[in-house]
Amino acid sequence: QQQVKQSPQSLIVQKGGISIINCAYENTAFDYFPWYQQFPGKGPALLIAIRPDVSEKKEGRFTISFNKSAKQFSLHIMDSQPGDSATYFCAAIMTGANNLFFGTGTRLTVIP
Amino acid sequence: DAGVIQSPRHEVTEMGQEVTLRCKPISGHNSLFWYRQTMMRGLELLIYFNNNVPIDDSGMPEDRFSAKMPNASFSTLKIQPSEPRDSAVYFCASSKIGGYYGYTFGSGTRLTVV
Repeated sequence: QQQVKQSPQSLIVQKGGISIINCAYENTAFDYFPWYQQFPGKGPALLIAIRPDVSEKKEGRFTISFNKSAKQFSLHIMDSQPGDSATYFCAAIMTGANNLFFGTGTRLTVIP
Repeated sequence: DAGVIQSPRHEVTEMGQEVTLRCKPISGHNSLFWYRQTMMRGLELLIYFNNNVPIDDSGMPEDRFSAKMPNASFSTLKIQPSEPRDSAVYFCASSKIGGYYGYTFGSGTRLTVV
């Protein structure tokens, strides 16, 4: 079964707007939550990551919000730009394991 | 570092033919992953290796698929015989074992089986 559930499947945002992608998980053993960004014709690349001991992590225009009690986390892209148009994957992994569990991906389109 | 190197970038083959995809992980990375990406199913983990040893191949769809890692710098994914439903983008990724290390993905091989 899908260990990490991601929504929405696709998202269209105007330039300058905020893009929000949500993920949820069930396994409380997960303790590292990365986000990957994939441009067409390329492999996914690590964008930003968070551990559950913090509620928020910000890197430039990208912010992860983490709600441990709800077992949910989300990616916020502030001031979205056309260059942010890509597919975004959330993921989760647990200490001692080596395989990431990926969400199903969100295709983001930022309209100029 | 050149990153994870996959070859070929594109492969078009006829149904029933054998297909071999190749991957060179980043030097020093001791975990290697093979993924398949399709519109319908997203990213699927097929198999992964730690220190050249297959750890989990439960994602390999059927016996037509096989993967090897004869040394730390090379891995292959073979499909024999290939079928049209195998058409997808196949990614190889590598990482270090343990700790919170991200995966580094290759650029993928786009396989089309006609």
